Amino acid sequence: KAGVTQTPRYLIKTRGQQVTLSCSPISGHRSVSWYQQTPGQGLQFLFEYFSETQRNKGNFPGRFSGRQFSNSRSEMNVSTLELGDSALYLCASSWAGGDYGYTFGSGTRLTVV
Amino acid sequence: GQQLNQSPQSMFIQEGEDVSMNCTSSSIFNTWLWYKQDPGEGPVLLIALYKAGELTSNGRLTAQFGITRKDSFLNISASIPSDVGIYFCAGQLKYGGSQGNLIFGKGTKLSVKP
Repeated sequence: KAGVTQTPRYLIKTRGQQVTLSCSPISGHRSVSWYQQTPGQGLQFLFEYFSETQRNKGNFPGRFSGRQFSNSRSEMNVSTLELGDSALYLCASSWAGGDYGYTFGSGTRLTVV
Repeated sequence: GQQLNQSPQSMFIQEGEDVSMNCTSSSIFNTWLWYKQDPGEGPVLLIALYKAGELTSNGRLTAQFGITRKDSFLNISASIPSDVGIYFCAGQLKYGGSQGNLIFGKGTKLSVKP
């Protein structure tokens, strides 16, 4: 059974650019959540999608957005990148919104220069 | 907002030693989860706890959901070199019939004693 797949694994972008990250959940999982991990702030919740609807949102600026497709795959977008957006972005999927724990992908390492 | 205090921040282990770490919160949670993260990888779920007072084992790992629902601990018995990594606790609240997002502790970094 394939795990959670995140692409790309690494990205280098320039300040002011925008970026799109992709996440394919485990087959059958309908909930996809996104987290940002930095050395200073640790793991912080960005948003959760369930059946193509954003169900929950963390405390991040509007530059961070996401969406989920009918096949449960999800993308997150960050516009007008800032140096502080450099982080490991993790996607996690679950069967029905975390009732049985979340399975994380390996993440996308974003570096903003 | 909700915060989890995880301690210790770091510790050194010698093969064969038992290890203990814990998390406390000012808020109650419905679920406590323990994850381990290796360098360059995402967190991997070790143990999930769903009921106050619950004690659950997974091999050499044992975790408990505190009676007050505001704390949890993880014990690793007879540690081995592959136990090295960062361990995170996470709390989760139920709302609207399903579980909410995870609130993570800052992690406990396990390293090998020099």
